[in-house]
Amino acid sequence: QKEVEQNSGPLSVPEGAIASLNCTYSDRGSQSFFWYRQYSGKSPELIMSIYSNGDKEDGRFTAQLNKASQYVSLLIRDSQPSDSATYLCAVGLGNNRLAFGKGNQVVVIP
Amino acid sequence: DAGVIQSPRHEVTEMGQEVTLRCKLISGHNSLFWYRQTMMRGLELLIYFNNNVPIDDSGMPEDRFSAKMPNASFSTLKIQPSEPRDSAVYFCASSPLGGPINIQYFGAGTRLSVL
Repeated sequence: QKEVEQNSGPLSVPEGAIASLNCTYSDRGSQSFFWYRQYSGKSPELIMSIYSNGDKEDGRFTAQLNKASQYVSLLIRDSQPSDSATYLCAVGLGNNRLAFGKGNQVVVIP
Repeated sequence: DAGVIQSPRHEVTEMGQEVTLRCKLISGHNSLFWYRQTMMRGLELLIYFNNNVPIDDSGMPEDRFSAKMPNASFSTLKIQPSEPRDSAVYFCASSPLGGPINIQYFGAGTRLSVL
């Protein structure tokens, strides 16, 4: 079983709609969870961190964590063309390291 | 504040040549991670250091790969000899031990092409 799974294929959303991304993880002991955004040809950039169950909102982004179900999600409200990127889910493991999912590509259609 | 600095940004070399990638950590950070990213395999952790000490190098693909931290702020990743299948983007990331749990900041990456 992979440490972090992001199974959805590319996601196309109309401008102004909500984009929803999901991620599951295998290590029940994980305590920290992150979403990174990566534009084509660029490096991953941290956009959200979440450490406790529930929702965390930051601007148009909301991260949701459910440790019992080992599930993390990211919602992007009022999607903009500038949100078109690949979104990487990352889960904290021991010794300060992260396990990354393969990413989901989001395309916002004007 | 300067972020993680990687050099070179692009490297084109021929099979069999030695390649050295460089990384300067964010000042005050003491964890350093080397990743490789390809379309097929995504972002893979190669090796990481805490306080200059290699903690886990199980992600290093072969003995052709080696990494060092000669001091607290600088690291190198060396591939000798290089092969076409090593072509990828190599990122380093740094993190503060004892800071917000597990947060990592990435450099701009080195795009390596081995012909």
